[in-house]
Amino acid sequence: QSALTQPASVAGSPGQSVTISCTITSSDVAGYKYVSWYQQHPGKTPKLIIYDVAKRPSGISNRFSGSKSGNTASLTISGLQAEDEADYYCTSYTVRSNLVLFGGGTKLTVL
Amino acid sequence: EVQLVESGGDLVQPGRSLRLSCAASGFTFDDYTMHWVRQAPGKGLEWVSGLTWNSARVGYADSVKGRFTISRDNAKKSLYLQMNSLRSEDTALYYCARAPRYCSSSGCYAEGGFDYWGQGTLVTVSS
Repeated sequence: QSALTQPASVAGSPGQSVTISCTITSSDVAGYKYVSWYQQHPGKTPKLIIYDVAKRPSGISNRFSGSKSGNTASLTISGLQAEDEADYYCTSYTVRSNLVLFGGGTKLTVL
Repeated sequence: EVQLVESGGDLVQPGRSLRLSCAASGFTFDDYTMHWVRQAPGKGLEWVSGLTWNSARVGYADSVKGRFTISRDNAKKSLYLQMNSLRSEDTALYYCARAPRYCSSSGCYAEGGFDYWGQGTLVTVSS
């Protein structure tokens, strides 16, 4: 059974950087090449902020960056702003199956 | 402007059925893979099902496999989710989401994530 594991919460002060991890547990870790990240404010729909590990959709601030090493993907938010306080979700998909996984979500608090 | 509008959510008893719809506009619907994602009250996002433009590739989460069926009508620019044998744990806000045309050699399924989401339709399963 494959799964994506995120920390339940992270926190940082304005101007600082925070990193949210997403650990892929699977017998086919190498197959989970495509990682995306979403930001969701309370009561709002999710917003795609990173796709294919490190690419940003048009209009997304370059304060958001993604990376992946081994079985762990990471989302880094630099220059934290109050508006970044939200829930963040990683998701991944392997072309070997038609299944998409979501991580459990991480609540980011801006102190 | 891309728009996805879900409908069909309701309060239903356990064991009953429900059909959700998602009406798409503002883009060429039959060029895109579409997905359903749900979110239980106060919980995280859970992928439910996905379907390619030509219905050749389909996927279901283990939690709904055998009970839910995804389908689409490209002429009507609509995506559907037939939900049978509903359980209390199916209670959630159901989102329709589009996968952008960012493709691998295997096709375009979820390589680029989900770039547009509807506002969701609420399904409550309770006696």
